Amino acid sequence: EADIYQTPRYLVIGTGKKITLECSQTMGHDKMYWYQQDPGMELHLIHYSYGVNSTEKGDLSSESTVSRIRTEHFPLTLESARPSHTSQYLCASSETGLNTEAFFGQGTRLTVV
Amino acid sequence: AQSVSQHNHHVILSEAASLELGCNYSYGGTVNLFWYVQYPGQHLQLLLKYFSGDPLVKGIKGFEAEFIKSKFSFNLRKPSVQWSDTAEYFCAVGLTGGGNKLTFGTGTQLKVEL
Repeated sequence: EADIYQTPRYLVIGTGKKITLECSQTMGHDKMYWYQQDPGMELHLIHYSYGVNSTEKGDLSSESTVSRIRTEHFPLTLESARPSHTSQYLCASSETGLNTEAFFGQGTRLTVV
Repeated sequence: AQSVSQHNHHVILSEAASLELGCNYSYGGTVNLFWYVQYPGQHLQLLLKYFSGDPLVKGIKGFEAEFIKSKFSFNLRKPSVQWSDTAEYFCAVGLTGGGNKLTFGTGTQLKVEL
C-alpha cells in the first residue's frame, strides 16, 4: 500500500546531539515537505523539495537541514539539538501538478532535554 | 504573507448536533483551500478540498465546506455529528499552482459527547 512513513514516532534526546528524522514515501511523489508544529500552534512549513537534489527553505526559519538524494526519501537533520527544537515534525508529499493535495506522515514528536 | 484564522479552538457538541467550524484567510490572489482532520493517534488526513468550480464542496464522512470568496472564508459543516468525529480539524490555504506549500490555521479540537 502506498504510504508515507516517518521514523521515529517519538524521540527524547539530550542537548547537543545530532539527530536525523526519517521520511519515506512509496507514492512516487516528486514534491515533499517538512512542517513543524509546536503544541497548540499552527503547522509551519520549514523545508520543501520539488525533486531530487532540490531543497528550499520554507516560511518558518529552522536550524534543521534536509537532503533529497532519492525521490522517496527526505530526511531532516539537526546537527546539535536544543530544547527550543522540541516540537512535532510532520513530513508530507504531493504529486507534481498545479492543484494537488498533500499526504502526511504520522509525525515525529521530538523532545530535547 | 498569507494567514489563516480558525475562530473556534475547542468545540464540544452532543451527538446529532450540527457543526460549523469557521475558517478565514488573508490573501488576495487565487487560492486552494483544504480541511484536514487528525483523529487521535493518527496522521493528518484530507477531509475535503477546493481548487475551483462549485464553491460548495463535499468531502468524506458527510462533511462539506463552502468557499465564499467575498468573505475570504471556507467554513466546514456537518449536519449531524457522530462520536467518531472527535478529532482535531485544520484549515489550510495554498496558492494556486504553488504546490502544497500550505499555510495552516491553529486547528479546532472537536469533542463529540454521547
